[in-house]
Amino acid sequence: KQEVTQIPAALSVPEGENLVLNCSFTDSAIYNLQWFRQDPGKGLTSLLLIQSSQREQTSGRLNASLDKSSGRSTLYIAASQPGDSATYLCAGGGATNKLIFGTGTLLAVQP
Amino acid sequence: KAGVTQTPRYLIKTRGQQVTLSCSPISGHRSVSWYQQTPGQGLQFLFEYFSETQRNKGNFPGRFSGRQFSNSRSEMNVSTLELGDSALYLCASSLPSGASGNTIYFGEGSWLTVV
Repeated sequence: KQEVTQIPAALSVPEGENLVLNCSFTDSAIYNLQWFRQDPGKGLTSLLLIQSSQREQTSGRLNASLDKSSGRSTLYIAASQPGDSATYLCAGGGATNKLIFGTGTLLAVQP
Repeated sequence: KAGVTQTPRYLIKTRGQQVTLSCSPISGHRSVSWYQQTPGQGLQFLFEYFSETQRNKGNFPGRFSGRQFSNSRSEMNVSTLELGDSALYLCASSLPSGASGNTIYFGEGSWLTVV
């Protein structure tokens, strides 16, 4: 069974702190990894896509890495802000557009 | 550039009824996927359509079906609704798949409540 696990399930940090969200997957058929953000009651916003030929991607204060050999990805958020509060989801993709989602990390950044 | 548009945003149905949800993908995107999100099961893949053909299907009963039109717009239908079908249904669009991966864009979703 394809599984994607995210740790921690919830995280509360003070504003300004750097933080790391973890994602692990067991399926060797996962070639690429996407990170999404979901605000309460909303759809998903794509943050970063790490394609199969890449090891990491950066966008602003976000940096995501992918290690397919160990089945792990991390999302690093620098200098967190209250506006970063949301649920963060990682999703593994293979040769099709089907995504296998993790269970998510609920992040709260305290002002 | 308009994003993925889903209609209706909210709806309430009675057990046994059927429902049709609609999705308009980003212009130029021919791949449309559907996902179900519930508190207990998280996000689960329903199916993917490309060029009016279902290319991939998740592990859902036959009551869940979909289709795609020539303009890439897609609909999904759930027949004989059950209480457990209450969920947020998300539509996603992207360019045709490749092993390297494509950014997948999601709509705001359709909230379905079955009573």
